[in-house]
Amino acid sequence: GAGVSQTPSNKVTEKGKYVELRCDPISGHTALYWYRQSLGQGPEFLIYFQGTGAADDSGLPNDRFFAVRPEGSVSTLKIQRTERGDSAVYLCASSPGNTGELFFGEGSRLTVL
Amino acid sequence: GQNIDQPTEMTATEGAIVQINCTYQTSGFNGLFWYQQHAGEAPTFLSYNVLDGLEEKGRFSSFLSRSKGYSYLLLKELQMKDSASYLCAVNLMTTDSWGKLQFGAGTQVVVTP
Repeated sequence: GAGVSQTPSNKVTEKGKYVELRCDPISGHTALYWYRQSLGQGPEFLIYFQGTGAADDSGLPNDRFFAVRPEGSVSTLKIQRTERGDSAVYLCASSPGNTGELFFGEGSRLTVL
Repeated sequence: GQNIDQPTEMTATEGAIVQINCTYQTSGFNGLFWYQQHAGEAPTFLSYNVLDGLEEKGRFSSFLSRSKGYSYLLLKELQMKDSASYLCAVNLMTTDSWGKLQFGAGTQVVVTP
């Protein structure tokens, strides 16, 4: 596609449930990032993939969060036992190489009730 | 810890100039980025500075002083469409990923007629 695509755009779930958020990066972009943005704040780094491997997952807040990118393209962010504090916009970004010029998707807004 | 400070909000008139300051205190530094984010939309890349000095790109310019831990984004000939949040972000030297950025909270620029 022309840009980074994220689904769903909105997700409302109950506390304790499991959610998956999907990111389809720009074709040919090898680097993929997940960020989380709370209201009134800047994006916060979660995890970085170069190809299929997670090169840096130091931003994942705890072991309830996990992300995969099995074929080096589409990535899924998985959150287990969701908590109200997980409510935020989850942004995915890709880049063609090792550059700070990131191409962000529109984000998935997660609301945990 | 990492600290990136920028004003919360600035208001300016259409056609005027606005300067958004950003100061940072980080454990490492590997470049400073500015992103623009319209309400409810994805951040988009504006500029990148790694060396001291001014980088000009059309109506937007960005300045960096590494010794002072200071940057600014200058927006000239303001247009209504420039109303957005402007995010200052630093790439920390602790990683080989240029896309792992530490963002400030953003400066909301309001352009009035």
